[in-house]
Amino acid sequence: DAGVIQSPRHEVTEMGQEVTLRCKPISGHDYLFWYRQTMMRGLELLIYFNNNVPIDDSGMPEDRFSAKMPNASFSTLKIQPSEPRDSAVYFCASSLGTGSYGYTFGSGTRLTVV
Amino acid sequence: KNQVEQSPQSLIILEGKNCTLQCNYTVSPFSNLRWYKQDTGRGPVSLTIMTFSENTKSNGRYTATLDADTKQSSLHITASQLSDSASYICVVSDYSGNTPLVFGKGTRLSVIA
Repeated sequence: DAGVIQSPRHEVTEMGQEVTLRCKPISGHDYLFWYRQTMMRGLELLIYFNNNVPIDDSGMPEDRFSAKMPNASFSTLKIQPSEPRDSAVYFCASSLGTGSYGYTFGSGTRLTVV
Repeated sequence: KNQVEQSPQSLIILEGKNCTLQCNYTVSPFSNLRWYKQDTGRGPVSLTIMTFSENTKSNGRYTATLDADTKQSSLHITASQLSDSASYICVVSDYSGNTPLVFGKGTRLSVIA
């Protein structure tokens, strides 16, 4: 298994532009999580899905952020319009469950908004 | 509110030395605790998992301890190597299985020659 695959690895964009981050979870994992990591706040849960359905999006900072999971093998996190304070590393993780099972993380997307 | 606190925030040690990282949590009811290692530029990877009944678990040079009464855990690294330089994140799960894992902010360990 190739693990959780994220793309792109790095993204540099100008303020105001739309940014789309992509994730392919491990086949058979029913849960998919999007996290944002910064030095100040550590890993913050943005949203998670169960069987492609969003369960909790209370961590999404504001309406500029949206996430979709059209099928079991693909998810996107979109920021529109992007702002410099969105600069962070965004991780996608998948799991067989929410708590009893560990999460497998992707390598992350480092986003820089200038 | 479920929280996980780690200390120290960062640590620098000489190669070959031992070190201990601390984790305190308030997650209740407790199910299990994991230590993750995150190398620079990579996602976190699970090192160990400990359940309520386990006090100590080793994974090579890494030894994790758990005191469920005081809600504390530690990760001890023996004979450190340069490759141990990473962030170590304490992660706790509640017993419901219905809520996501609670992550600490991590300890940044630097092992220098």
